[in-house]
Amino acid sequence: SQELEQSPQSLIVQEGKNLTINCTSSKTLYGLYWYKQKYGEGLIFLMMLQKGGEEKSHEKITAKLDEKKQQSSLHITASQPSHAGIYLCGAPRSISSGSARQLTFGSGTQLTVLP
Amino acid sequence: DSGVTQTPKHLITATGQRVTLRCSPRSGDLSVYWYQQSLDQGLQFLIQYYNGEERAKGNILERFSAQQFPDLHSELNLSSLELGDSALYFCASSANVGTGEYEQYFGPGTRLTVT
Repeated sequence: SQELEQSPQSLIVQEGKNLTINCTSSKTLYGLYWYKQKYGEGLIFLMMLQKGGEEKSHEKITAKLDEKKQQSSLHITASQPSHAGIYLCGAPRSISSGSARQLTFGSGTQLTVLP
Repeated sequence: DSGVTQTPKHLITATGQRVTLRCSPRSGDLSVYWYQQSLDQGLQFLIQYYNGEERAKGNILERFSAQQFPDLHSELNLSSLELGDSALYFCASSANVGTGEYEQYFGPGTRLTVT
């Protein structure tokens, strides 16, 4: 079965600093989702990547899926306290056609941004 | 606000009891997914329904069952509850009208505490 490993597990940065979170898959990725979660709350959709080499940005957050499609990175520029939370990557299990798109998730990266 | 609603927000019940969690997907989304999030297991896929039919099963216990109704809302039934069933239960929805990837949006979750 597919496993997603996120690194680092936790990250503490000073406000204004840049940071990167990685998500590495044990198998080829057929898509990669990034979510943000405040502790005990729902997951907020950030971005979805599909093609190798694809890069998407939203405000100060950029996500990229590498060419070989086994790793994705999430980069935050000039971090702010509002970026604090748990970042989760999720991937569909296969490229099978149809509507089965259950996600396997990494264990998450806890981000703390110090003001 | 993702557009996915879940009720109740919190649920406290005793071991051996049965509960029903409810989810309304985003308008127009045909797929509903149920996930369980616990400290020891992380976020795990339970079951998916697509337009009223079960489409995929994950790590769902036999004591748990789900269904999706004609109006597309879904219910997750948990019976013979055990202490270990205490977790956050999330519902997600996506359009899934064909092949390819579709964004999955999560609801705020139901926190179940079994005492």
